[in-house]
Amino acid sequence: DIQMTQSPSSLSASVGDRVTITCQATQDVSHYVSWYQQKPGKAPKLLIYDASDLEAGVPARFRGSGSGTDFTFTITSLQPDDFATYYCQQYDTLPLFTFGPGTKVDIK
Amino acid sequence: QVQLQESGPGLVKPSETLSLTCTVSGGSLTNYYWSWIRQPPGKGLEWIGYIYYSGSAHYNPSLKSRATISVDTSNNQFSLKLTSMTAADTAVYYCARVITTHFEFWGQGNLVTVSS
Repeated sequence: DIQMTQSPSSLSASVGDRVTITCQATQDVSHYVSWYQQKPGKAPKLLIYDASDLEAGVPARFRGSGSGTDFTFTITSLQPDDFATYYCQQYDTLPLFTFGPGTKVDIK
Repeated sequence: QVQLQESGPGLVKPSETLSLTCTVSGGSLTNYYWSWIRQPPGKGLEWIGYIYYSGSAHYNPSLKSRATISVDTSNNQFSLKLTSMTAADTAVYYCARVITTHFEFWGQGNLVTVSS
């Protein structure tokens, strides 16, 4: 089975900071990685799909890159609404969808 | 805008079968895959399985054949049955619309607790 690791597991940052989260797959998943934002008590929200495509309506400060096994998610200028937990997710062979363990972004 | 809403019990006894339904509004089930995902309290997300509107389904092997997903296009709903529930199945259960490689729209979630 393909596993996804994320780092860091948590980070503290200030408004305006550049935040970078990495996700690594145990096998080549091409560019089939998506990123989600989840706030407490809410469902995850899709931000980025297919490694770097921005979901409609999502601010351009959210960016994704990578292919193969190594992927990066960046918030170019952290805003107050961005404090949340972020998950990567891969699509490939069974299990078709696997999520990373999450990265919690909180206020410094 | 497509909206999804889970419905079902909040409490299930050990060894019983969980039944959840997801009602889709603002769009049709046709031509899409529809999925169930769960999240134990304070933990990460686990994909359970998905179903095409025509009825073809695929499941996460980790559930060892305990899960069954069905679709009811006449009522714009799809459902999950999970047998032999244990405390490890306590989680928020989400339904979602799949767009090939990712989950586009999500329901708000239904917390299911397994306890006698």
